[in-house]
Amino acid sequence: DSGVTQTPKHLITATGQRVTLRCSPRSGDLSVYWYQQSLDQGLQFLIQYYNGEERAKGNILERFSAQQFPDLHSELNLSSLELGDSALYFCASSVGGSQSNTEAFFGQGTRLTVV
Amino acid sequence: GDSVTQMEGPVTLSEEAFLTINCTYTATGYPSLFWYVQYPGEGLQLLLKATKADDKGSNKGFEATYRKETTSFHLEKGSVQVSDSAVYFCALSLGGTSYGKLTFGQGTILTVHP
Repeated sequence: DSGVTQTPKHLITATGQRVTLRCSPRSGDLSVYWYQQSLDQGLQFLIQYYNGEERAKGNILERFSAQQFPDLHSELNLSSLELGDSALYFCASSVGGSQSNTEAFFGQGTRLTVV
Repeated sequence: GDSVTQMEGPVTLSEEAFLTINCTYTATGYPSLFWYVQYPGEGLQLLLKATKADDKGSNKGFEATYRKETTSFHLEKGSVQVSDSAVYFCALSLGGTSYGKLTFGQGTILTVHP
């Protein structure tokens, strides 16, 4: 158990809909990262938050957004869903900040299926 | 941009065989290098890492050496077990306060038969 909790584990929804994926980082970790894993694109970094603020952005679509709350949990919002958004979405956390040389711990992922 | 290239898979071996999975990278600056493993139905786990040139990361019998001159970080294990069957990802990070911002290779599926 990595200590990173993602909910739900599975999600099936229709095209055009909006979903929210939730991530609780390990206790004490201030940084949260979101990744998308798909068959055609592989594992891609989407976005990072550190202590409530956006820190880095990757290949995240405009239809996707994220935030990190004061209790440090994070949510990834996916809207106007398309079939191609079907993927495994991972959250990872690390201590972050000045302690830069630390490991990122991954959750078990949320498998999103768009039908 | 930064990128990681892994050897084409899948890789199928018999138990106790020697394993090598090649990984090369392109990066601006001086990245840290990682191998992650993903067992079926699970998230990614850090297998080993190296943060500077000539460092050797090792864990559970797996080893990889950070070779700056060849921009490589090949994964090796002298004697694989059935329980090593998984997907292996090579990754890099430019570190700093975005240490968990990783660029991954495409992954290599390893299957070990008894």
